[in-house]
Amino acid sequence: DAGITQSPRHKVTETGTPVTLRCHQTENHRYMYWYRQDPGHGLRLIHYSYGVKDTDKGEVSDGYSVSRSKTEDFLLTLESATSSQTSVYFCAISESGSGKGKNIQYFGAGTRLSVL
Amino acid sequence: TQLLEQSPQFLSIQEGENLTVYCNSSSVFSSLQWYRQEPGEGPVLLVTVVTGGEVKKLKRLTFQFGDARKDSSLHITAAQPGDTGLYLCAGAPGANSKLTFGKGITLSVRP
Repeated sequence: DAGITQSPRHKVTETGTPVTLRCHQTENHRYMYWYRQDPGHGLRLIHYSYGVKDTDKGEVSDGYSVSRSKTEDFLLTLESATSSQTSVYFCAISESGSGKGKNIQYFGAGTRLSVL
Repeated sequence: TQLLEQSPQFLSIQEGENLTVYCNSSSVFSSLQWYRQEPGEGPVLLVTVVTGGEVKKLKRLTFQFGDARKDSSLHITAAQPGDTGLYLCAGAPGANSKLTFGKGITLSVRP
């Protein structure tokens, strides 16, 4: 199994509070991703990183920010959590960000976030 | 956004039955991947197909990439309860594109 650890695994918070989710990898992969998974929507990309301090927006980036100060850590921050951000959040890593058949992603176990 | 439509959305079958599920798009993909996700866990890669018409087998699972690289199918022979899970297909439209995921197929295999 790829060495990906997400923390916390579960979190309940209140609307308007800041929340930070952490993804830690031991594989030294260059690319890291944050997805959210919701019923009826599947997996949607929030933000991704292609190196230390190099990040870019995904499909559903509004209300989220990310930081990557070290290769192994990728943080996802909800500056002011809203109920619409209640979801399961997955971190993924890959050696390559693109290329035919090379963008194989390995996923963490997920963080279940409830915003009340 | 390149859409991947998966069908059927839900499937419940008896152990020992065969099944085929689909991943379709109107767009061409440079490659397609299939993942399986079990409750409380993240998706795990099953296979990557990159060549139109390609067929790959993984024990009782057979994956096919359409000739035009717009669709893919997954056939499971003699399904077992351990095959239960959410099956996701994901594609990269171009060489420098990020993966787009379908919404998934929930498969339940009853003992």
